[in-house]
Amino acid sequence: AQSVSQHNHHVILSEAASLELGCNYSYGGTVNLFWYVQYPGQHLQLLLKYFSGDPLVKGIKGFEAEFIKSKFSFNLRKPSVQWSDTAEYFCAVTGTSWGKLQFGAGTQVVVTP
Amino acid sequence: DTEVTQTPKHLVMGMTNKKSLKCEQHMGHRAMYWYKQKAKKPPELMFVYSYEKLSINESVPSRFSPECPNSSLLNLHLHALQPEDSALYLCASSHPWVVAGEQYFGPGTRLTVT
Repeated sequence: AQSVSQHNHHVILSEAASLELGCNYSYGGTVNLFWYVQYPGQHLQLLLKYFSGDPLVKGIKGFEAEFIKSKFSFNLRKPSVQWSDTAEYFCAVTGTSWGKLQFGAGTQVVVTP
Repeated sequence: DTEVTQTPKHLVMGMTNKKSLKCEQHMGHRAMYWYKQKAKKPPELMFVYSYEKLSINESVPSRFSPECPNSSLLNLHLHALQPEDSALYLCASSHPWVVAGEQYFGPGTRLTVT
């Protein structure tokens, strides 16, 4: 069965620390990968996406992610977090079925001042 | 304008009520979506409309009835809901038939069924 798993459900770190959130997927065939963020009280918004080409993708707000096909992974990174990065982060995948965006369980990230 | 708007922001309804949620976008997207999100959980797809036609129904109970009256509007009609239907209902839009297309999400309607 197709699935998306995020390794950490809850991460707490201090400002200026580096962040890495893991995401693994189980899909047959071509995949398109996304990281969405949901800030407290705000709507889901796209951080970055990968569908082809350079496996290292850069997104908004200093985030980047690396697609490693052999590991079925799409991990999100940020070298130095800020308090404003406190949010819920979702990895999501579409396969060949257009429209079916499947989300991972999410990771709650809390950045302390 | 990259905004998806949803009304109302909050809704409290009894199990015998009939109510509707509304979603609107003016980005020219011809695909629109309804998701359900329970607390501390990821969004779960409910329905997808493409060119105003229902293309995906994820086995949602009939007490939820979607409607897409035109390319900018999406409604979700609610009737005889159960308390477990209390959740955040999210609307999204995108270009259809683009597998790698980004979905733009609205802020959601927080529904409480009493």
